[in-house]
Amino acid sequence: DAKTTQPPSMDCAEGRAANLPCNHSTISGNEYVYWYRQIHSQGPQYIIHGLKNNETNEMASLIITEDRKSSTLILPHATLRDTAVYYCIVRVPSGSARQLTFGSGTQLTVLP
Amino acid sequence: GAVVSQHPSWVICKSGTSVKIECRSLDFQATTMFWYRQFPKQSLMLMATSNEGSKATYEQGVEKDKFLINHASLTLSTLTVTSAHPEDSSFYICSAITSSSYNEQFFGPGTRLTVL
Repeated sequence: DAKTTQPPSMDCAEGRAANLPCNHSTISGNEYVYWYRQIHSQGPQYIIHGLKNNETNEMASLIITEDRKSSTLILPHATLRDTAVYYCIVRVPSGSARQLTFGSGTQLTVLP
Repeated sequence: GAVVSQHPSWVICKSGTSVKIECRSLDFQATTMFWYRQFPKQSLMLMATSNEGSKATYEQGVEKDKFLINHASLTLSTLTVTSAHPEDSSFYICSAITSSSYNEQFFGPGTRLTVL
């Protein structure tokens, strides 16, 4: 799986958009970008994934650069409950080894 | 989405005792389950991969005789920490995928183990 780089922490004002960056310059052509988050003392929660097109769901939007070397997770209207560690993971979705390799992630703190 | 439960949510035990943690997929059949461990202020580390009906595959550095994993059915995997010591105190998280799941892995809520 390709290595990812994320800032260790970010703050965001409640109600504003939270933009979380992720660098994955060694991503290969068949690897997807996944985002998970982990609220304190809970298990990780899937947010969104994408290959090369921008994706949006009820939780967030994922913007992947054209060269696919970086991406941004956007929480359009952050709430206090969005305070969590956000993990960007790059991997091939299929295959026998489908475990997730978690990096250090970004601690997002949403401020009132 | 699919739901994965863990039991207990927290446990305190004495050093030298064994503790069993259960991971259940509530509304789907899980051909593969993973066990992760997370120490305070650290990221999740994969311990082992558990496939239904076969022996678990352990990551390097994880003692298979200390962390016994059983995946006897498509909805249940158990992790037993044998002869627990204070350094085994951690947050243990399981996850499950189905044979048809390409995109997301479903995580349990985690079990906080404290060994005195």
